[in-house]
Amino acid sequence: EADIYQTPRYLVIGTGKKITLECSQTMGHDKMYWYQQDPGMELHLIHYSYGVNSTEKGDLSSESTVSRIRTEHFPLTLESARPSHTSQYLCASSNRGGQGEKLFFGSGTQLSVL
Amino acid sequence: SQQGEEDPQALSIQEGENATMNCSYKTSINNLQWYRQNSGRGLVHLILIRSNEREKHSGRLRVTLDTSKKSSSLLITASRAADTASYFCATSRGDSWGKLQFGAGTQVVVTP
Repeated sequence: EADIYQTPRYLVIGTGKKITLECSQTMGHDKMYWYQQDPGMELHLIHYSYGVNSTEKGDLSSESTVSRIRTEHFPLTLESARPSHTSQYLCASSNRGGQGEKLFFGSGTQLSVL
Repeated sequence: SQQGEEDPQALSIQEGENATMNCSYKTSINNLQWYRQNSGRGLVHLILIRSNEREKHSGRLRVTLDTSKKSSSLLITASRAADTASYFCATSRGDSWGKLQFGAGTQVVVTP
């Protein structure tokens, strides 16, 4: 069982609200990632971090922002949520570098914007 | 664009049967990984195969990799109801260290 936690598990909010999705891991992993997944579709990388104070945008453009002030914490923020942001958001972490890198995933946050 | 593409999209089998699913990708890779996702949950890593390996086993799982055809297969032998899940392949490229690209997955249903 992976020690990576996401809260909330489900979130239903109205358009225009500011939201923060929390992600924490207790494994001391340097690298953390946010993926976005729509039902029956592939995962898209939207943000990643290779360590404290390091954040980069992923392959899929996203209006969300992230921060990495502590190794264990990688929150994702939407300043003004819209219905197009409705999706599942998965946080992941990894440690080993080079070619043998596997990801540990949280259980995800299912976001619905009305 | 999608790097990995699984086939079939969905698979329904009975307990005890084998399940085979395939993954094709477009560019050269360092390694290819398979993950399982139970409904509404996060993904769980199953197995990793490096670009210089052709076959790998882990319990009831067997993975093959053919880099000349840019394809991989995952075989689950003697399937159980608990194997019901979506299975994703993910590739790691040399120019995107640590970042995986996922396919859309194969949805497997195992009926008792």
